[in-house]
Amino acid sequence: IAGITQAPTSQILAAGRRMTLRCTQDMRHNAMYWYRQDLGLGLRLIHYSNTAGTTGKGEVPDGYSVSRANTDDFPLTLASAVPSQTSVYFCASSDGLAGDTDTQYFGPGTRLTVL
Amino acid sequence: GQNIDQPTEMTATEGAIVQINCTYQTSGFNGLFWYQQHAGEAPTFLSYNVLDGLEEKGRFSSFLSRSKGYSYLLLKELQMKDSASYLCAVMDSNYQLIWGAGTKLIIKP
Repeated sequence: IAGITQAPTSQILAAGRRMTLRCTQDMRHNAMYWYRQDLGLGLRLIHYSNTAGTTGKGEVPDGYSVSRANTDDFPLTLASAVPSQTSVYFCASSDGLAGDTDTQYFGPGTRLTVL
Repeated sequence: GQNIDQPTEMTATEGAIVQINCTYQTSGFNGLFWYQQHAGEAPTFLSYNVLDGLEEKGRFSSFLSRSKGYSYLLLKELQMKDSASYLCAVMDSNYQLIWGAGTKLIIKP
């Protein structure tokens, strides 16, 4: 079934540890995104990639890094986790074309708790 | 700055109609999206408006007025499964989505 998968589903992490959240899509979409969702706030863009080999910073990039070695995978790394990074993380993808086809499709999310 | 406003929570009765409003102030406009998000799940796409007017999709309709910076999502014949959060998002001049905090819709029997 075509779509986006994320791993892990949930994780409890000690502060200061390094963590990589995985995201894979099989829709051959050009663009991919990482968001965090916190209670009472809208989805906030962390990083994005318009095409394989390129990445860009979103609204809240500090403390996070990404890579886009190929079309399908877009991992998000927390180099040294802090409690303020406790959140639900969603990966999304889109065709990357302007207009209706630029609808973003979301993975199931990763619930991360940093203690 | 960029801002998307929508009510935090609304309550409606099964079988009724509800309208969820969204107002926006963004740097540029390349379309407005509505997503549905059930608790603990991912957002799923509902509708997209880029021109003024009403778009209808079954029980759901979405309206846009670009001059007023205003949209609404209209849900008819409400069902219990419509209990969810509804997210309004605007694509700005950089083709990035700016998201509202979402409206939690509670459906009562």
